[in-house]
Amino acid sequence: NAGVTQTPKFQVLKTGQSMTLQCAQDMNHEYMSWYRQDPGMGLRLIHYSVGAGITDQGEVPNGYNVSRSTTEDFPLRLLSAAPSQTSVYFCASSYDTANYGYTFGSGTRLTVV
Amino acid sequence: GENVEQHPSTLSVQEGDSAVIKCTYSDSASNYFPWYKQELGKGPQLIIDIRSNVGEKKDQRIAVTLNKTAKHFSLHITETQPEDSAVYFCAASLSGGSYIPTFGRGTSLIVHP
Repeated sequence: NAGVTQTPKFQVLKTGQSMTLQCAQDMNHEYMSWYRQDPGMGLRLIHYSVGAGITDQGEVPNGYNVSRSTTEDFPLRLLSAAPSQTSVYFCASSYDTANYGYTFGSGTRLTVV
Repeated sequence: GENVEQHPSTLSVQEGDSAVIKCTYSDSASNYFPWYKQELGKGPQLIIDIRSNVGEKKDQRIAVTLNKTAKHFSLHITETQPEDSAVYFCAASLSGGSYIPTFGRGTSLIVHP
């Protein structure tokens, strides 16, 4: 049972480049979310999904897109990378966030130069 | 929306001492309160949770207490060990609909040998 798998683990982008952070889970969880973690800021919600075909914005959605075509996958797209998007990104999934906790991935450390 | 305050932001203890981290929440309808531990370079991991119909829950050296009247919940770690050093996050969720949990800002616990 792999849990939540995030790729890549590290990435360096140039300003203006685009890329996709991959997230996959094998627990048949309906709920999936993307967070960014910056020093002193805790975990900030970017986008989330409560099931295949359903996505919504979180606290800091600007500059990011998501889609949920399958239950297993929830990729996060950076449209035009900016230095302000330098951060550690975590994907998380849950059977039901109102009653169960998240399983987090190991994170992607992104640097935009 | 829900607001979760977490204190202290940093906690330094000697090995063997107890550590207490406190969170307050604003929405009296919140009814699920998970705690996460994040070790350096890893994603957060669920360590214990409590639901609103329970006042206290224990799991070996960790315990969580909930005071619904005062709208606060606390994580208690007894007989701390160096491997307890990590960042701890609290969160609050309410049932119904597609509610996504609100996280506290985190507490960095340092256990000195």
